[in-house]
Amino acid sequence: LAKTTQPISMDSYEGQEVNITCSHNNIATNDYITWYQQFPSQGPRFIIQGYKTKVTNEVASLFIPADRKSSTLSLPRVSLSDTAVYYCLVGDGVDNAGNMLTFGGGTRLMVKP
Amino acid sequence: NAGVTQTPKFQVLKTGQSMTLQCAQDMNHNSMYWYRQDPGMGLRLIYYSASEGTTDKGEVPNGYNVSRLNKREFSLRLESAAPSQTSVYFCASSEFLAGYTFGSGTRLTVV
Repeated sequence: LAKTTQPISMDSYEGQEVNITCSHNNIATNDYITWYQQFPSQGPRFIIQGYKTKVTNEVASLFIPADRKSSTLSLPRVSLSDTAVYYCLVGDGVDNAGNMLTFGGGTRLMVKP
Repeated sequence: NAGVTQTPKFQVLKTGQSMTLQCAQDMNHNSMYWYRQDPGMGLRLIYYSASEGTTDKGEVPNGYNVSRLNKREFSLRLESAAPSQTSVYFCASSEFLAGYTFGSGTRLTVV
């Protein structure tokens, strides 16, 4: 089971770049890393997914070092609407050993004006 | 739009009543899940179904039962509701490399 560790909360100001790091020391060879965003009263939604190095889309960038034991979600120039909880998930559902992956508590990002 | 549909969106139950939360997905995903989320807390897995015909307990299964009716549908049943089950319930589905897709949630209050 690839357990993840993230900061509980982070504060930022509008226009700043925010980096949220997730540790996953026991990541398996075939595990992808996926980040989700959850607004109040809504279900989490997919932001970005990667396996190694760097992935970028219109919302965020994901940096994964060579050892893949951590990953960093980067949100460029955040706005108030980026205030949400961000979850790091390693793997996809049930792994080959039958272990269930869980979302954990996530990182609560507060963007201030 | 393709996705996960949950019904109902809101429900108030009296202690001891039973109810079933319905979930359906149209993305042909194999895996489906039920989570609960209490105010200010993270998601906790109740039950999951890795494929049609199989179900397994998650972190907090007590007081719940599930049925994977077919590949599309995964229902959650509360046999005798308790105030401790007041929460927001999310259904989700997933497929390898497709990530999770969540429904919009069911807000349940047990009085």
